[in-house]
Amino acid sequence: EAQVTQNPRYLITVTGKKLTVTCSQNMNHEYMSWYRQDPGLGLRQIYYSMNVEVTDKGDVPEGYKVSRKEKRNFPLILESPSPNQTSLYFCASNIPGDEQFFGPGTRLTVL
Amino acid sequence: AQTVTQSQPEMSVQEAETVTLSCTYDTSENNYYLFWYKQPPSRQMILVIRQEAYKQQNATENRFSVNFQKAAKSFSLKISDSQLGDTAMYFCAFMKLRYGQNFVFGPGTRLSVLP
Repeated sequence: EAQVTQNPRYLITVTGKKLTVTCSQNMNHEYMSWYRQDPGLGLRQIYYSMNVEVTDKGDVPEGYKVSRKEKRNFPLILESPSPNQTSLYFCASNIPGDEQFFGPGTRLTVL
Repeated sequence: AQTVTQSQPEMSVQEAETVTLSCTYDTSENNYYLFWYKQPPSRQMILVIRQEAYKQQNATENRFSVNFQKAAKSFSLKISDSQLGDTAMYFCAFMKLRYGQNFVFGPGTRLSVLP
């Protein structure tokens, strides 16, 4: 089954404790992206990657890091999480110029 | 930079009726795609319909159709014969086709279909 998976689905952590949210896709898509969803703001792009070792900032990259060492994986790293990063996070993948396929989302709470 | 506006934060419609969700966008690009995504309470993002800017014909997918007005930068979604399962958040999204992957979403419209 073609899918995008994210782990964990739910995470509660404390300020300053480094965390990683994993994302994996099995569709051999070149493009992958990370979004955060906040009420009234829709989805905002954090980072995206156009292929292995090629990443670029989206609209809200501050406080986040990403890496793309393999085509199928695109982890999101919060090195020092803060409460304003409490949000719902989505990973997505696509082939260039086509619709994005989304993961199930990760609900992150930073205390 | 591109922006996407959805001016209706919430809407409701009676089952079997027709409803139209509005979306406007601002861009200097000439080639781009527009999308409507649905997010039911499960939070899963589901593609409803897409439109290529170079196509003049409006896209249609079963009960879902769009009214794409390129000059006005308007991209509304019409849902015919509304069903209870259409209850969801609906997001309008813009994607440019030049180098990069700038995907911009609107703030969303919460649609409730009433029995």
